[in-house]
Amino acid sequence: EVQLVESGGGLVQPGGSLRLSCTASGFTFSSYSMNWVRQAPGKGLEWISYISSGGGNIFYADSVKGRFTISRDNARNSLYLQTNILTDKDTGVYYCAREGGDGWFDPWGQGTLVTVSS
Amino acid sequence: QSVLTQPPSVSAAPRQKVTISCSGSSSNIGNNYVSWYQHLPGTAPKLLIYENNKRPSGIPDRFSGSKSGTSATLGITGLQTGDEADYYCGAWDSSRGAGYVFGSGTTVTVL
Repeated sequence: EVQLVESGGGLVQPGGSLRLSCTASGFTFSSYSMNWVRQAPGKGLEWISYISSGGGNIFYADSVKGRFTISRDNARNSLYLQTNILTDKDTGVYYCAREGGDGWFDPWGQGTLVTVSS
Repeated sequence: QSVLTQPPSVSAAPRQKVTISCSGSSSNIGNNYVSWYQHLPGTAPKLLIYENNKRPSGIPDRFSGSKSGTSATLGITGLQTGDEADYYCGAWDSSRGAGYVFGSGTTVTVL
């Protein structure tokens, strides 16, 4: 079964950091580009970052550029998101998603909740 | 504010049909594939349509997608109570620094 499982979320103070992880199984992780998408409470989906299969191409949304860093370890079938200088606007559920082809995401993980609060 | 515009909500009775529009521009929908996702609160979003009008295996043919110019449409026929969810369109945006963009989301209610 193709599966993605996120972890690493939690409660963090404003200005703090968290490292989110996404562990893949059931497919050849190193062959696929990956993305992070988040959903703030009561809001819609927001794409935040992309990394190509080999890690050579990386993109970020303007809202996180300079604060978040996406990376991957193909030997460990894992995707990461280092989040720094967090604000309350970063609160939400963070999903990892495999890019199956030209602009579609499937599957998605179940999400990990990040709460930024003092 | 989302780059892709969707109606906030649509509703219909069971067994009826709804359509959800997704309006964009030449930098996203106009020159890139559109995909559609179903999202129930507390669960992982699910891919319904990819490359404008293709259905992944396991998605019933009650769901359909189309694209014309800078707009796309998701259709759901034979509406069921289990279809109550939020629906999002998405596409890559070729504008400098834009990345991938999602629609504002549409809540489907079965009356």
